[in-house]
Amino acid sequence: AQSVTQPDIHITVSEGASLELRCNYSYGATPYLFWYVQSPGQGLQLLLKYFSGDTLVQGIKGFEAEFKRSQSSFNLRKPSVHWSDAAEYFCAVGPYNQGGKLIFGQGTELSVKP
Amino acid sequence: EPEVTQTPSHQVTQMGQEVILRCVPISNHLYFYWYRQILGQKVEFLVSFYNNEISEKSEIFDDQFSVERPDGSNFTLKIRSTKLEDSAMYFCASSDQLEAGETQYFGPGTRLLVL
Repeated sequence: AQSVTQPDIHITVSEGASLELRCNYSYGATPYLFWYVQSPGQGLQLLLKYFSGDTLVQGIKGFEAEFKRSQSSFNLRKPSVHWSDAAEYFCAVGPYNQGGKLIFGQGTELSVKP
Repeated sequence: EPEVTQTPSHQVTQMGQEVILRCVPISNHLYFYWYRQILGQKVEFLVSFYNNEISEKSEIFDDQFSVERPDGSNFTLKIRSTKLEDSAMYFCASSDQLEAGETQYFGPGTRLLVL
């Protein structure tokens, strides 16, 4: 069965420090992978997505993610975190057909220390 | 930039009451979705809708739930007789979905509390 695991429920980093949020997926074929961010009171905003090709994907707000097939991972990174990055981050896989669903991970809440 | 909107942002209702959650998808999108997130749990797919029909639904989407596109702009989720366990954040999403892997764009959510 398809699934997504985000092992870290909550992460705290200092402003200016680097960030890596982990995401592991389970799926038989090459997945479509997404990272969304949810700020308080806001909807889910797409940060970046992976379809095929280059395994390092650039997104908005200075984020990037790397698809590693051998590790079934799609970790999100940012070299220098800003206080405004504090939010909840969701990894998702799918959809595999027109009208199909996204399968989400549990989410990782990011706090940023001044 | 076009975005998905949802109303109301919060809804409190009594158990057994009917609620209707409203969404306005992005105007040229073809596929519409509802997801929910119970507090502390994952975002879960409920249903997808295309061409005035349900495309796919999850096991959560039982007879108590229905969806409708009553006009050219709105997309609604109705819960006929709410239960305590329906308390959750409900997200609407839309996509072009011209092919697999198309991005789904989400609204800000409606927080439903059933008392």
